[in-house]
Amino acid sequence: NAGVTQTPKFQVLKTGQSMTLQCAQDMNHEYMSWYRQDPGMGLRLIHYSVGAGITDQGEVPNGYNVSRSTTEDFPLRLLSAAPSQTSVYFCASSLSRGLAGYNEQFFGPGTRLTVL
Amino acid sequence: AQSVTQLDSHVSVSEGTPVLLRCNYSSSYSPSLFWYVQHPNKGLQLLLKYTSAATLVKGINGFEAEFKKSETSFHLTKPSAHMSDAAEYFCVVSVNDMRFGAGTRLTVKP
Repeated sequence: NAGVTQTPKFQVLKTGQSMTLQCAQDMNHEYMSWYRQDPGMGLRLIHYSVGAGITDQGEVPNGYNVSRSTTEDFPLRLLSAAPSQTSVYFCASSLSRGLAGYNEQFFGPGTRLTVL
Repeated sequence: AQSVTQLDSHVSVSEGTPVLLRCNYSSSYSPSLFWYVQHPNKGLQLLLKYTSAATLVKGINGFEAEFKKSETSFHLTKPSAHMSDAAEYFCVVSVNDMRFGAGTRLTVKP
């Protein structure tokens, strides 16, 4: 049971380049999400998914795309990288939504992205 | 809509003294609430969670939090700080998705 895995761990891009951050979980979790972490701003929700084929925008979705073709995978695509997207990106998953919101999230180790 | 506000960006305590990290939330429905901790250059670890059961929630490493609906608060406490508690702490509210507070950096002085 690997939990939530993310690749790559580190990435340097040039402005305008595109790339995909990979996220996978092997816990059969319904809910998956992507966050970016910037100093003094906590973790901000980029996109999330409540199940295969269903995605929605979070607080800061601009410049990012997601899809959820399987329960296990939730890739995050940067369409045209900008220096403002320099951040640490975390993927997380949660088993299901209870009566009062989601259960705890399990986090991946993070991807540190630098855009020059 | 849901949101969470951590009232202090930085808290400094001496080792052996109590810790109080404050969190207020806003939600149209009864939410689930969580506290996570992040040590430097590490991932996030769940400290404790509230999911509409007991209002006083005990977590790992001696931390606990009390859900107060009338005050829309979920403050994190620990009776006696340890040097290893120095980290960033995040309060999280969940209804339809999960929203993080901006974080509180806890410094523990010897």
